[in-house]
Amino acid sequence: SQQGEEDPQALSIQEGENATMNCSYKTSINNLQWYRQNSGRGLVHLILIRSNEREKHSGRLRVTLDTSKKSSSLLITASRAADTASYFCATDAISDSWGKLQFGAGTQVVVTP
Amino acid sequence: SQTIHQWPATLVQPVGSPLSLECTVEGTSNPNLYWYRQAAGRGLQLLFYSVGIGQISSEVPQNLSASRPQDRQFILSSKKLLLSDSGFYLCAWSARGGRQPQHFGDGTRLSIL
Repeated sequence: SQQGEEDPQALSIQEGENATMNCSYKTSINNLQWYRQNSGRGLVHLILIRSNEREKHSGRLRVTLDTSKKSSSLLITASRAADTASYFCATDAISDSWGKLQFGAGTQVVVTP
Repeated sequence: SQTIHQWPATLVQPVGSPLSLECTVEGTSNPNLYWYRQAAGRGLQLLFYSVGIGQISSEVPQNLSASRPQDRQFILSSKKLLLSDSGFYLCAWSARGGRQPQHFGDGTRLSIL
């Protein structure tokens, strides 16, 4: 079952603009992770944010986590054509003793030059 | 550094034929290993995960099976493929204990005819 749900399903922006996507989930988590997938390739881990953290940065990426609303957002600043990809959130539920991840359906981002 | 290899990249098989997909990890010991399936435009569905040699847990009942004959080798098999087995299969590893980022192979595109 998919716990994380990304919004929007698709996003089209121009180079230089910011891209924001959101993830909502249903159960209490240990951490939430964001991944990128280029077409036809495997997923690449971007950022892991723990339940006691509210914000995390990595280069042009900014992730926020609001555990009271059970939601997270991923912001890509100053987007580039190379950022074109699908982005997935994945949750590590407290109830899962093995730390397995539940992935959402993803947000497809297209950045045009 | 750690690497993960998954092969073949593409596979076309007739209905009823057997399947063997292999995944190996290098540069780490005692990893957690995972097999996922991804339908077109969708998120990832966890099929199997393993925390050690010979230890396999199945998430979804189906005609697929998994084995871990060596610490860093994970195999996905089927005795008789169904049309519904078509999809994009991804292998991943994480550090022992889970609750860590997962690292993915480049996937196998499986088409059943």
